Amino acid sequence: AQSVTQLGSHVSVSEGALVLLRCNYSSSVPPYLFWYVQYPNQGLQLLLKYTTGATLVKGINGFEAEFKKSETSFHLTKPSAHMSDAAEYFCAAHKLSFGAGTTVTVRA
Amino acid sequence: GAVVSQHPSRVICKSGTSVKIECRSLDFQATTMFWYRQFPKQSLMLMATSNEGSKATYEQGVEKDKFLINHASLTLSTLTVTSAHPEDSSFYICSASWGGSSYEQYFGPGTRLTVT
Repeated sequence: AQSVTQLGSHVSVSEGALVLLRCNYSSSVPPYLFWYVQYPNQGLQLLLKYTTGATLVKGINGFEAEFKKSETSFHLTKPSAHMSDAAEYFCAAHKLSFGAGTTVTVRA
Repeated sequence: GAVVSQHPSRVICKSGTSVKIECRSLDFQATTMFWYRQFPKQSLMLMATSNEGSKATYEQGVEKDKFLINHASLTLSTLTVTSAHPEDSSFYICSASWGGSSYEQYFGPGTRLTVT
């Protein structure tokens, strides 16, 4: 069975600072992996996904994530945070096991 | 991109009544639709998976007689919360997929259900 762990339920960053959201998965077979963003009272929007091929995946809004099989990780990063990045972020594995979510707040 | 809509976006109902939520894929045919429930400040919990024309597969602990799911066409799935109670109040989100190996889901905007 798949499980996804997001380290840190809440991350606070300054505007312009690096955003790093951690995600680890447990699986005997490398899964397909996704990062979603959710704004208040809205559904989920896909930021990026890893299926096969290049392990560094670029997504929308300047986000990227790197699949590291040896570390069973799929951490999400953005070099420079914007105020509009304040939201809830979910990591998910295929068959959609969701992590618990990480709330990002951005300080002006 | 693929668009999924949900209707209504918000609904308030009285305890004991039933509520139907619609999920539509607007520009693609969804062979599979998923229904999730999300409590405040929590992650999404998969309730059931439905394939067009067949019975939904419910996750463990989800009452299939209480949460009726119908996926009658490739663009429409409905979730009916029967005999709703206040504890059923939640944010319900659907997603749709056209299949394939990437398992990419397209999510609806969610429906906020409040049972009084």
